[in-house]
Amino acid sequence: NAGVMQNPRHLVRRRGQEARLRCSPMKGHSHVYWYRQLPEEGLKFMVYLQKENIIDESGMPKERFSAEFPKEGPSILRIQQVVRGDSAAYFCASSPTTTLGGNEKLFFGSGTQLSVL
Amino acid sequence: GQQVMQIPQYQHVQEGEDFTTYCNSSTTLSNIQWYKQRPGGHPVFLIQLVKSGEVKKQKRLTFQFGEAKKNSSLHITATQTTDVGTYFCAGPSGNTPLVFGKGTRLSVIA
Repeated sequence: NAGVMQNPRHLVRRRGQEARLRCSPMKGHSHVYWYRQLPEEGLKFMVYLQKENIIDESGMPKERFSAEFPKEGPSILRIQQVVRGDSAAYFCASSPTTTLGGNEKLFFGSGTQLSVL
Repeated sequence: GQQVMQIPQYQHVQEGEDFTTYCNSSTTLSNIQWYKQRPGGHPVFLIQLVKSGEVKKQKRLTFQFGEAKKNSSLHITATQTTDVGTYFCAGPSGNTPLVFGKGTRLSVIA
């Protein structure tokens, strides 16, 4: 049973370019979460999605960032016009059911390290 | 919003020494979870505590949930080099998914 798959593992972008990060949840999981981790920092919640629905995007910057989880295919975190401050590790996690109330454990992918030059 | 604070931020121990990390929440938690992230790796779920005053053990690791359900601790007995990594606690915040503390980075000197 494959775990949470993220790609690419490493992504290098120049300032102003777009970054697309992909996440395929574990088989049977319909809930996807994106977290950002800066060096020496914890995991900062960004967005929570179910298939075709954004449930909670309270942690996502209002500009340049967007996320989707289409009916078919992986979840995508998209960062437009990247800036150096966007450099971080972006982790995707999945769970089989809702974590409203945070009762479900999360299964994390290996992350995408984004470097903005 | 709800905040989860962890101390210490860093801990260096000699192999064989014990290690404890503490987690405090600004609000009462329905449950608390602990994760471990090895250097260069991703967070991996360790345990979930739900009941007030709950204590759970996993080999050399002991997890406690405070009576008021606002704090928790992780204690490792006789650390080994395989224990190296960052330990995070995480708790729910209303209907928002898990809020993570900043973690405690453990270094073990052989």
